[in-house]
Amino acid sequence: EAGVAQSPRYKIIEKRQSVAFWCNPISGHATLYWYQQILGQGPKLLIQFQNNGVVDDSQLPKDRFSAERLKGVDSTLKIQPAKLEDSAVYLCASSSEGWTEAFFGQGTRLTVV
Amino acid sequence: GESVGLHLPTLSVQEGDNSIINCAYSNSASDYFIWYKQESGKGPQFIIDIRSNMDKRQGQRVTVLLNKTVKHLSLQIAATQPGDSAVYFCAEAGGGKLIFGQGTELSVKP
Repeated sequence: EAGVAQSPRYKIIEKRQSVAFWCNPISGHATLYWYQQILGQGPKLLIQFQNNGVVDDSQLPKDRFSAERLKGVDSTLKIQPAKLEDSAVYLCASSSEGWTEAFFGQGTRLTVV
Repeated sequence: GESVGLHLPTLSVQEGDNSIINCAYSNSASDYFIWYKQESGKGPQFIIDIRSNMDKRQGQRVTVLLNKTVKHLSLQIAATQPGDSAVYFCAEAGGGKLIFGQGTELSVKP
């Protein structure tokens, strides 16, 4: 079974630039999560999708972050404009139903300079 | 707000010894708990889970204990190996949400 795929693995941008991350979840998984993991901390949920609908985006900084999952499969997370404090690893995870164990991708390490 | 936290940020053990990693949670309504292992440069990897109607669950070399009275969770690793070196996170699930604690770094000395 293929795992959760994320790209790119690494990204370096200047502040005020924009960036987008892509996630392909495990086939058939209805729930997709985007997490932000700052160095030395646990992952923090940014947004959760159930199929193509948003379940929870309460911790997504909506003035600069956006995410979509148009066909209920792949998802993209965008930051525009980026700030220095956005430097983190962005993890995508998927699960078959809401509370069952989530499988994570390797993440995208973003550095904002 | 609700949170999940760990008692010890770092733990160093001798190879072959048993390891115990602790976690405190504050949301008494959480009905499902998961332990993850995260190696450097990788995403968190599922280790073991436990539902709130259980107090113990065993896997291969790992055991999770749940004490709902004091809202405490622990992960026991038997015969710790160098490959167990990683950051371990507990996470609580409830209402379809998965919330992580800060993590404990386990270092195994040969």
